[in-house]
Amino acid sequence: DVVMTQSPLSLPVTLGQPASISCRSSQSLVYSNGNTYLNWFHQRPGQSPRRLIYVISTRDSGVPDRFSGSGSGTDFTLRISRVEAEDVGVYYCMQGTHWPWTFGQGTKVEIK
Amino acid sequence: QVQLQESGPGLVKPSETLSLTCTVSGGSVSGYYWSWIRQSPGKGLDWIGYIHYTGSTNYNPSLNSRVTISIDTSKNQFSLKVRSVTAADTAVYYCGRGERLGIDPWGQGTLVTVSS
Repeated sequence: DVVMTQSPLSLPVTLGQPASISCRSSQSLVYSNGNTYLNWFHQRPGQSPRRLIYVISTRDSGVPDRFSGSGSGTDFTLRISRVEAEDVGVYYCMQGTHWPWTFGQGTKVEIK
Repeated sequence: QVQLQESGPGLVKPSETLSLTCTVSGGSVSGYYWSWIRQSPGKGLDWIGYIHYTGSTNYNPSLNSRVTISIDTSKNQFSLKVRSVTAADTAVYYCGRGERLGIDPWGQGTLVTVSS
């Protein structure tokens, strides 16, 4: 299985400051059709995960533009330009290129 | 908007079969892929498998021999069965719409505990 490695695992942030989460895959995530199926999810405490971004950088409807995704091949990044209180929780990257699709172990974002 | 709701027993005995149903409201199961994912404290998020509305399936090889996913388009539901469960199958089970692009939306999740 493709291993997804996130860092850091814990990220204390100050409100209004930027935050960045790294996700690395054990294999290239470029699919045979040229797409790279790297997606990001956010899970608030006690809630189901919610998809934020798919195919590296496409934001889901309703996702604030302070969230952005970037990267290629095996290295990817989720950035929050200015952290707000509602952004706390755990962020997961997920690859949909190689079956079985796999998730990273999660990065817990909390407010300092 | 599409909403999903998992239902089924919250407690299953070891060696028995875990059975869950996901009911889709606000939209049709037709035209989409539907997935089951589970989340356990020790192993994080695991993709169990998915089914196309036509009935074609794909299962995680780690569970392949024990899992069956089925769909009932007339009831707008799809289901999960995991046979011969052990304590390692204790998890929150989520259903959701989607496949390689990820899940959107997710059900609220249901905790299934395997214990005698």
